Amino acid sequence: DAKTTQPPSMDCAEGRAANLPCNHSTISGNEYVYWYRQIHSQGPQYIIHGLKNNETNEMASLIITEDRKSSTLILPHATLRDTAVYYCIVRANYGGSQGNLIFGKGTKLSVKP
Amino acid sequence: EPEVTQTPSHQVTQMGQEVILRCVPISNHLYFYWYRQILGQKVEFLVSFYNNEISEKSEIFDDQFSVERPDGSNFTLKIRSTKLEDSAMYFCASTPWTHSGNTIYFGEGSWLTVV
Repeated sequence: DAKTTQPPSMDCAEGRAANLPCNHSTISGNEYVYWYRQIHSQGPQYIIHGLKNNETNEMASLIITEDRKSSTLILPHATLRDTAVYYCIVRANYGGSQGNLIFGKGTKLSVKP
Repeated sequence: EPEVTQTPSHQVTQMGQEVILRCVPISNHLYFYWYRQILGQKVEFLVSFYNNEISEKSEIFDDQFSVERPDGSNFTLKIRSTKLEDSAMYFCASTPWTHSGNTIYFGEGSWLTVV
């Protein structure tokens, strides 16, 4: 089963920041937090990942709390094309589940005009 | 940007028929996966593959399923005798290595309809 908890749905106004929370209270010290999204039934698209430090790339920012029990994905200026299901995934370390991604139900983000 | 490519994008097959779904992983990647997603449900792990053998498989991946890397570029999923419940989107994925800091990249999927 997925090791994360996410709200089932969220709305965001176009142009505003979308902040998607994720709880992963049982995360181990060497497990990464990954975010993917899935638009309609397309393949999951990688967004960002992190271990301890906050991360930023051209798509999003990832804020991880100091105790690593939760994180927030931030889309700084959401567009209609960001409407998708967003998955927060704790990735098992090598030697455990071979680094597989275990998907939960994710958060359906609806960006509205 | 390198990407995982899958063929066919959509296949309709009769129950009981064999199906082969094909994938070309990203060229320098060593670890490969198949996932599936039944309509309206979660993305589910099927199998991972490294060094020409299965590394891990889920309960879904029973004797009806097999994977193969027939040459240096293709990675295939075979379903021997399809059932109605095999209707799903099948995603291939690849990563350079299994360390959890290495990103797994997914293809756009092959939609399988069993009638």
